[in-house]
Amino acid sequence: SQKIEQNSEALNIQEGKTATLTCNYTNYSPAYLQWYRQDPGRGPVFLLLIRENEKEKRKERLKVTFDTTLKQSLFHITASQPADSATYLCALVLSGAGSYQLTFGKGTKLSVIP
Amino acid sequence: EPEVTQTPSHQVTQMGQEVILRCVPISNHLYFYWYRQILGQKVEFLVSFYNNEISEKSEIFDDQFSVERPDGSNFTLKIRSTKLEDSAMYFCASYLGQGVGDTQYFGPGTRLTVL
Repeated sequence: SQKIEQNSEALNIQEGKTATLTCNYTNYSPAYLQWYRQDPGRGPVFLLLIRENEKEKRKERLKVTFDTTLKQSLFHITASQPADSATYLCALVLSGAGSYQLTFGKGTKLSVIP
Repeated sequence: EPEVTQTPSHQVTQMGQEVILRCVPISNHLYFYWYRQILGQKVEFLVSFYNNEISEKSEIFDDQFSVERPDGSNFTLKIRSTKLEDSAMYFCASYLGQGVGDTQYFGPGTRLTVL
């Protein structure tokens, strides 16, 4: 069956450390993968997108890697801050998805402790 | 910065009643979507709309659901006869549609509570 799994439901990390979140997928062929941030009661907010032929993308303190052999993406937040506390969602856009709809993982709730 | 807006923010209804959720997508976008998120669950795709017609829909989007773009700005989701299990956050999203590198922009959501 098709699955998207994000490594843990919750992750606690000390302020200033690097948070690493994992997204694994099975039986999907994504054209690209995206990471979103979701705050309680709000809609997802786009953070980063990485294509199937890219290995790494960076944006300020954020870094995403994509390994299509391992079927895994890692999302890193360096120098984490309490304001980074949120749920982070991994989403795939599948090859052949004509309308580019997103398939989401359940998310990892990150708490950055001061 | 342009944004997707949704109304109402919270809708309470009785089981069996019809509800209409409204969205104003970003004006020059071409693709429009509805997603839902049951409390504590993942965000799930319902339907996509392009060129004034449904382009894809999920198994969740059965005959009780319909979408419309009645004018040049609004995009609506109608649930004809609500069930308890329809209680969820409903998110509208829009996408410019110029290929990889662009992304979907989500609205703040409508919380639907079916009693």
